[in-house]
Amino acid sequence: DGGITQSPKYLFRKEGQNVTLSCEQNLNHDAMYWYRQDPGQGLRLIYYSQIVNDFQKGDIAEGYSVSREKKESFPLTVTSAQKNPTAFYLCASTGTGGRQPQHFGDGTRLSIL
Amino acid sequence: EDQVTQSPEALRLQEGESSSLNCSYTVSGLRGLFWYRQDPGKGPEFLFTLYSAGEEKEKERLKATLTKKESFLHITAPKPEDSATYLCAVPNTGFQKLVFGTGTRLLVSP
Repeated sequence: DGGITQSPKYLFRKEGQNVTLSCEQNLNHDAMYWYRQDPGQGLRLIYYSQIVNDFQKGDIAEGYSVSREKKESFPLTVTSAQKNPTAFYLCASTGTGGRQPQHFGDGTRLSIL
Repeated sequence: EDQVTQSPEALRLQEGESSSLNCSYTVSGLRGLFWYRQDPGKGPEFLFTLYSAGEEKEKERLKATLTKKESFLHITAPKPEDSATYLCAVPNTGFQKLVFGTGTRLLVSP
């Protein structure tokens, strides 16, 4: 079955540590996205990539970094510069055409130790 | 700035009690609207896309409608398994990203 796989489901970060969240899709989608979801705030866009080797900052990119070396993969690194990383992180992808819906993975919950 | 507002924030229904959720948007030109369902601890699940005012889509007990300023998600005779958070979203100018509302948490009691 085609879909988006996020791992791990739960992740804990220590002070000063960088952590990387994995996102893999087998939908042959060109565009991929990372969102952060906090209670009462809805989904906020962190980074997005519309093509391999290219990505753009979203609304809350500070303290995060991404790479897009393969079409299928769009990992997100939460750096130590992100002072409030505790949240539910969602990865999404969509095909080309502008009006296609985004499809989501089942998320990674990141907490601080 | 593109903006999406959903109401109510939370809604509690008895099984079989029909109701509607609202999604109002302010965007420069109607470019479509998406509805999603999200269960606790899961990613949003795509439900509907509406492209133009007057359009309607149905799936089981759910029916989505669209006007030039808002969309409604009508839930007819809901069941407890319809309990979830319902999100709506619109594409921004240039179709680079989706702008999401904060969602409506629906709880259907047996």
